[in-house]
Amino acid sequence: GQNIDQPTEMTATEGAIVQINCTYQTSGFNGLFWYQQHAGEAPTFLSYNVLDGLEEKGRFSSFLSRSKGYSYLLLKELQMKDSASYLCAVRDGKGGADGLTFGKGTHLIIQP
Amino acid sequence: EAQVTQNPRYLITVTGKKLTVTCSQNMNHEYMSWYRQDPGLGLRQIYYSMNVEVTDKGDVPEGYKVSRKEKRNFPLILESPSPNQTSLYFCASTPRGGGDGYTFGSGTRLTVV
Repeated sequence: GQNIDQPTEMTATEGAIVQINCTYQTSGFNGLFWYQQHAGEAPTFLSYNVLDGLEEKGRFSSFLSRSKGYSYLLLKELQMKDSASYLCAVRDGKGGADGLTFGKGTHLIIQP
Repeated sequence: EAQVTQNPRYLITVTGKKLTVTCSQNMNHEYMSWYRQDPGLGLRQIYYSMNVEVTDKGDVPEGYKVSRKEKRNFPLILESPSPNQTSLYFCASTPRGGGDGYTFGSGTRLTVV
């Protein structure tokens, strides 16, 4: 079956850098997405990788290695508002061509 | 404003009383989907629709129904809700094959007593 793994919880300090890893084993692959979700709110789209390499968007970057089944989300210059859950999702062909399978999410705690 | 509108935000109901959660998007997206989110289990797909009159089961479809009579609307129907359907529900939509990801509705927190 589809398997997407990410750490359950991480803690980091305001102003620092944190890397959230995601490994996946899926029967299909057509892109990997990262979402941010604050408690009780809807997930919001952060980044998309379909080719190997690094995509940078301001303080957030995402990396993909398809051969390793591995991605990470890098958050720089951490702010208190970055405290949230971060969801890794793979477009794997399950649930239709645009279906996403989500990891369980990484709860990121930012400390002053 | 481009958005997915989901209603209601909160709902408490009793076992067996039929209910509908509405979802509407104004972006002309072909693909729409319903997810439920439970602590420790993450987001799990209930049903999805690739276009008008085309729907299919996701990973956890038991106890739910959907319809897609118009492109913009994708209601979720619980014919006879049970307490194990207490959850946070999200509707989402996306254009075909895009790299913009899903746009999610605000969520519906459902409690079945």
